[in-house]
Amino acid sequence: NAGVTQTPKFQVLKTGQSMTLQCAQDMNHEYMSWYRQDPGMGLRLIHYSVGAGITDQGEVPNGYNVSRSTTEDFPLRLLSAAPSQTSVYFCASSYRQGNTEAFFGQGTRLTVV
Amino acid sequence: GDSVTQMEGPVTLSEEAFLTINCTYTATGYPSLFWYVQYPGEGLQLLLKATKADDKGSNKGFEATYRKETTSFHLEKGSVQVSDSAVYFCALGFNQAGTALIFGKGTTLSVSS
Repeated sequence: NAGVTQTPKFQVLKTGQSMTLQCAQDMNHEYMSWYRQDPGMGLRLIHYSVGAGITDQGEVPNGYNVSRSTTEDFPLRLLSAAPSQTSVYFCASSYRQGNTEAFFGQGTRLTVV
Repeated sequence: GDSVTQMEGPVTLSEEAFLTINCTYTATGYPSLFWYVQYPGEGLQLLLKATKADDKGSNKGFEATYRKETTSFHLEKGSVQVSDSAVYFCALGFNQAGTALIFGKGTTLSVSS
C-alpha cells in the first residue's frame, strides 16, 4: 500500500523560481489537503479539495495554487518562491472531511534562498 | 474561531516515567478529537481519536478522554519508552463539508534511557 506519496522529498529553490510539489494517493479518498509545518506554528492549512474539480483556500493560501483534475492527484504550485515559503510541506488525504482519519505523506522540505 | 491549545514543549522524561500532554480546545460545535504522532523524518500518523463526549481513545498504551465539561483531551501514557520520542499533535475536526483538521502547535517528547 503506497498511501500518500509526495515528491520531491527535498528541494532548494532560488527566490522567484516556480515549482510544483506533487501529491498522489491510492486510497480513493475524496478529501485532500496541503499543510505547511513551521517551528512553533504547528500545521497550517494552505489549500484543500473535497473532490475532483473542487478546491478551496485554507488559512495561508497566498503564493500557492492548486488544482484537482483527478481523485488521485493534488499538486501544489509555488508561483514565485520567496524565503518565507521555506518550510516542510505535507499532503494529506481522508475519506471524508475533518472528522475522519487523515493519512499524511512523508513531507517535502523546501528551502528558498 | 475554533482552535486547539497544547502544552509547550519540549517534554523530557526518563524511560518508564508517566506522561501527560495537555490539550484544550475551543469549538462552536461538537468536534471529533484526535492525537497524531510524528516520528523524526516522517509524516503524521493517527495515534488515537474520540468522536463524542466521554469517549476514551487508546492505542499503543496511550489514552485520552474527551471531556466536554473542561474542553480537554489530555494524552497520557503510564510508562514511556525511548521509542515514544516524537512530536505529538492534538487536533479537532468536524463532520461538515469543506472543513479540515485544526491542529495544535505540537509537543516534542524526548525519552532517555
